[in-house]
Parts: sequence; structure tokens; C-alpha cells
Amino acid sequence: SQQGEEDPQALSIQEGENATMNCSYKTSINNLQWYRQNSGRGLVHLILIRSNEREKHSGRLRVTLDTSKKSSSLLITASRAADTASYFCATAPYYGNNRLAFGKGNQVVVIP
Amino acid sequence: SQTIHQWPATLVQPVGSPLSLECTVEGTSNPNLYWYRQAAGRGLQLLFYSVGIGQISSEVPQNLSASRPQDRQFILSSKKLLLSDSGFYLCAWSVSQDTEAFFGQGTRLTVV
Repeated sequence: SQQGEEDPQALSIQEGENATMNCSYKTSINNLQWYRQNSGRGLVHLILIRSNEREKHSGRLRVTLDTSKKSSSLLITASRAADTASYFCATAPYYGNNRLAFGKGNQVVVIP
Repeated sequence: SQTIHQWPATLVQPVGSPLSLECTVEGTSNPNLYWYRQAAGRGLQLLFYSVGIGQISSEVPQNLSASRPQDRQFILSSKKLLLSDSGFYLCAWSVSQDTEAFFGQGTRLTVV
């Protein structure tokens, strides 16, 4: 299985602080993606990083990928209360089988 | 632009009753379609995915089935619900396995 495994499971921070969460996976991937889920809603795609990329930025988000360690991290800078959500990583397998494998998710609570 | 519709938003069904959840996608052709289940506070479990009409792959043997009668329609069914079928069901689509997935708003199913 290529299921991602985020770490830590839950994070509580003050508004303005940075939040970092990690994801590890087990097999070769084509790309790795991060999603956000607000309580009781569907997932929203945040950022995709390909296996030949090491770092990617999107607004206040910074994603790194280390294929040698089979791990990725998501950094949210200058967090806001609206960033309170669960964050999931998902891996797209290198060898095609048409599906994303999701991790268990990190719950992030940003305290105003 | 592309949109995904999933309904109903919530559903309470007695044990042993049938189930039909529907998902439709607009604005794209031949999407990859997915059904996921999310238990409370857990990650996403892929149930079924489809790369074309009538082509369904099952990830987890269980009490559920899926069908794709039209290119942009994906249906999740059960003949007799079990208590363990309770959960949050999410439909999603993607252009291919290595692109981002777009999720519906989910169906909260409670089997009583």
C-alpha cells in the first residue's frame, strides 16, 4: 500500500504561528498531494508536488518532498483561524492503478 | 468549469434497508471517479474507482457495490445496510491518476 501517514495527528497553535505536519509513504510515487478538509465537508486540493520536485510554494503553504526518505512536509506560515481543519496527504502511485491513497490526516486547530 | 454534485447530504437508514447514493460530474468528459468512506476522525478508505462506463474496481470487499451507468454518473449501492456501513461517504473525480482530485460535499450516512 502507498498510503500516506501523517504525523502528528493533532496540532493546536496560536494564530500567527507556523504549523508543520509530515507525511510518510512506502512505495514509489508519481506525485504527492495535500488536501484540506473542514469539519463535515469534502476535501479541497491544496498543492501537488511531483516526484522530481523537492519544494513547492503556494501562498502561505510550503511543501517539501524527500523521495529518498519517502516523506513530505506541509508548512503553513502565519496561520489564521480559518486554517483550522484536517490536512491529508495523498500519494499517486508511480505504477498506474488509477487511484490516490490517503493518509489518516492531521487535525490543526488555530486559536485566535 | 467543472462541478461535482453528491446527494443526499445526510441520510438515516435502518439496518437491512437498501442504499443508493448518487454522484454526478459536470464540465468534463471521461473522468476517473471514486467513492471513499471516512469513519469518524479517520482517514479516507477507497471503496471503488472507475476509469470508464461500466468499469468498476473494488478496493475493499464489503456490503457495497458501485455502478457507472453514464460517463459522469457514479452510484454507490447496497441491498441491505449494516450498522458498520455508517460513515461519511465522499465522491471524487480526477482527470487522471496523477492529477488532483475534486471532491463532493459528502453524505453522512447513519445506519440505525
